[in-house]
Amino acid sequence: EAQVTQNPRYLITVTGKKLTVTCSQNMNHEYMSWYRQDPGLGLRQIYYSMNVEVTDKGDVPEGYKVSRKEKRNFPLILESPSPNQTSLYFCASSLNGQGSTPLHFGNGTRLTVT
Amino acid sequence: GNSVTQMEGPVTLSEEAFLTINCTYTATGYPSLFWYVQYPGEGLQLLLKATKADDKGSNKGFEATYRKETTSFHLEKGSVQVSDSAVYFCALKTGGFKTIFGAGTRLFVKA
Repeated sequence: EAQVTQNPRYLITVTGKKLTVTCSQNMNHEYMSWYRQDPGLGLRQIYYSMNVEVTDKGDVPEGYKVSRKEKRNFPLILESPSPNQTSLYFCASSLNGQGSTPLHFGNGTRLTVT
Repeated sequence: GNSVTQMEGPVTLSEEAFLTINCTYTATGYPSLFWYVQYPGEGLQLLLKATKADDKGSNKGFEATYRKETTSFHLEKGSVQVSDSAVYFCALKTGGFKTIFGAGTRLFVKA
């Protein structure tokens, strides 16, 4: 089954404790992206990747890191989480990121930073 | 810059009622337009799309027409069901890599 898989689904952590949210897709998509969803703000893009070893900042990259060492994986790293990073996070992928190709989303990771 | 504006929710309807969720956009060039739906506890999934002016996207009884003259892409369904309860996002994409989302509209359908 074609899918985007994120782990974990729920994560509670404390300020400053490094964490990684994993994302994997099995559709051989070139483009992958991370979003955060906050009430009233819709989805805001954190980082995206056009292909292996090619990444770029989205609208809200501060406090986040990403890497794309393999085509299928695109982990999101929070080196020193803070409470304002409490949010619902989504990973998404698409065939090539261009034109009218739609995004395929994972089921989300709800992160709480205390 | 490019942006998407959706009507605020929540929208509450009785089963079999007519649904309209308004969406307008601001964009340079000729964007592709999308509606995504998010069911409780799940990620977003594509509902329908349109890639040029006057195109009509349709799926599962939902429709939206790309109106360039009014820069709108309103979502409609003739008869909603309880299972349509979800959050609906309007989105646009220009020639680059970025998809821009509206804030989302929550729909509740009562039996």
